[in-house]
Amino acid sequence: DTGVSQDPRHKITKRGQNVTFRCDPISEHNRLYWYRQTLGQGPEFLTYFQNEAQLEKSRLLSDRFSAERPKGSFSTLEIQRTEQGDSAMYLCASSLFPKEAYNSPLHFGNGTRLTVT
Amino acid sequence: DAKTTQPTSMDCAEGRAANLPCNHSTISGNEYVYWYRQIHSQGPQYIIHGLKNNETNEMASLIITEDRKSSTLILPHATLRDTAVYYCIVRVVGSGGSNYKLTFGKGTLLTVNP
Repeated sequence: DTGVSQDPRHKITKRGQNVTFRCDPISEHNRLYWYRQTLGQGPEFLTYFQNEAQLEKSRLLSDRFSAERPKGSFSTLEIQRTEQGDSAMYLCASSLFPKEAYNSPLHFGNGTRLTVT
Repeated sequence: DAKTTQPTSMDCAEGRAANLPCNHSTISGNEYVYWYRQIHSQGPQYIIHGLKNNETNEMASLIITEDRKSSTLILPHATLRDTAVYYCIVRVVGSGGSNYKLTFGKGTLLTVNP
């Protein structure tokens, strides 16, 4: 179990640029979640996939955000025309659903910290 | 919105037990109590979860009251590395189609002092 891997760990970009983050879940996990966390707050749900299907998107996910999971394995989160308000930690999590029980926990990566200048 | 209430911060002496309370008075029958922690600059780390029985693993113990309206996470011998934000979360679990996402509040900052 190598855990959830996110790349890059840090990204600094200028306002208006596009950025893309990658998440590699735990290998057998079929569910993948994206969260965003700003300073002093708990993580906020953005979207999730079951296999390659994106099944829910939060209202926080504006039109400038797009997430994909093309082969049901790794996922990418792209932000177009970044704004200073996009500065945050972007977290990815994965889980196995269903498992013997339906309450398998989410396992998180260490996130990508985005700074928009 | 988060369905739990936790103190903003707590202190604990190294080597002593840390008892972190959580209120979840509106918990439903199909909701589990989960605990995660987040050490600075890392992602949330799963600790433990339970439905109604007390649970113990290598990291912690979870005590849930009989009416399920509150719970306590116990770290039996806190170390400096246990300094983190601890999140108590109630999560719907079942065989339906919901995404069973975790909804985080602000958590409790536990500071373990030497």
